[in-house]
Amino acid sequence: KAGVTQTPRYLIKTRGQQVTLSCSPISGHRSVSWYQQTPGQGLQFLFEYFSETQRNKGNFPGRFSGRQFSNSRSEMNVSTLELGDSALYLCASSLLPAPGTPYQETQYFGPGTRLLVL
Amino acid sequence: KQEVTQIPAALSVPEGENLVLNCSFTDSAIYNLQWFRQDPGKGLTSLLLIQSSQREQTSGRLNASLDKSSGRSTLYIAASQPGDSATYLCAVTNTGNQFYFGTGTSLTVIP
Repeated sequence: KAGVTQTPRYLIKTRGQQVTLSCSPISGHRSVSWYQQTPGQGLQFLFEYFSETQRNKGNFPGRFSGRQFSNSRSEMNVSTLELGDSALYLCASSLLPAPGTPYQETQYFGPGTRLLVL
Repeated sequence: KQEVTQIPAALSVPEGENLVLNCSFTDSAIYNLQWFRQDPGKGLTSLLLIQSSQREQTSGRLNASLDKSSGRSTLYIAASQPGDSATYLCAVTNTGNQFYFGTGTSLTVIP
């Protein structure tokens, strides 16, 4: 089974531009989460999508947005880029437990997209 | 808000030594705790997942324990090898599918 894939792997942008990152989850996984990783803040949760709906959102400004398509693929968009947006952006997918089941499933991470804002 | 702390921040050990990594969290109402490994410039690889009702999980040379009431987890690595060198992260979920990550422990195993 193919793992989580993210494109592009590397990206260089300038301040003020916008960027779109893509994530394809493991086949059959319907939950996709996005994280930002920086040396200073560590790994921080951006948002989670399930069945094309945003279910959870972290504490990031509105410049960060996302969406999920009917095939579970997800995109993340950052508008009006700032220097501080330079980071590794990680996507993770997981199965969700059956209704009434208390357990959560393992999250599987992609290799990430490294964004550099100049 | 859930806060996750990992101690030590960095650890260097000779090959063959057994070691313990620590993780603590402030809100004990978690669904599960997961340990990950991250190699430089790469994504995360899941090592062990402990459900809130479980006390420990084992995989090969790795053993993770969970004490929900005290807000602590440990990752025990037996007979360390140079290939174990990486950053180890623990993460907990409270509700939904949002993970709160620790700050990580950078492990170096010296041949």
